[in-house]
Amino acid sequence: KQEVTQIPAALSVPEGENLVLNCSFTDSAIYNLQWFRQDPGKGLTSLLLIQSSQREQTSGRLNASLDKSSGRSTLYIAASQPGDSATYLCAVSSGNTPLVFGKGTRLSVIA
Amino acid sequence: NAGVMQNPRHLVRRRGQEARLRCSPMKGHSHVYWYRQLPEEGLKFMVYLQKENIIDESGMPKERFSAEFPKEGPSILRIQQVVRGDSAAYFCASSPLSGGARRGTDTQYFGPGTRLTVL
Repeated sequence: KQEVTQIPAALSVPEGENLVLNCSFTDSAIYNLQWFRQDPGKGLTSLLLIQSSQREQTSGRLNASLDKSSGRSTLYIAASQPGDSATYLCAVSSGNTPLVFGKGTRLSVIA
Repeated sequence: NAGVMQNPRHLVRRRGQEARLRCSPMKGHSHVYWYRQLPEEGLKFMVYLQKENIIDESGMPKERFSAEFPKEGPSILRIQQVVRGDSAAYFCASSPLSGGARRGTDTQYFGPGTRLTVL
């Protein structure tokens, strides 16, 4: 059974810092991995999707990497801003199975 | 292209009442997923449906919960005789494809969720 773990559970950083969020999964037989952002009381916004054949994806200040063999992914946020404050969720797909989510990392960027 | 729509956004029910949550997928999407997010927990899969078919309901409680996705109209998640433990955010996602030839390439697009409170 696939399990997804995100570390740390919460993170507080001053504005401008670069930061890394971690995601690990127990079954490396995945098809893709997604990072989502969730604002309080809101839905999920997909940030980056990495196919199993890819090693990283970039969008603006965000960079996500995937090491399938070790069951790990990182989300790198450059030059953090207060508007980046949210909960970041990692989810993996194993094809026909639905997404399996981690519990998220709650990020606070202090101005 | 409108995104995934869910209504109501907030729903309050008393114990024993029924809750009906609706989800309209993105245009052109024929696959719908329901997830539940309990307080301080991650999202957990409940059920996966195509039009008029339940594909996978392994995450849905056996009793009181049911889901449908009719040929016409939105997908409905129904919770009968609600209890306080059903209080959660319920999210719907849609995708254009399931597995098969393009397995692994279909992104799920999420709706804003319905927040159910059971008094």
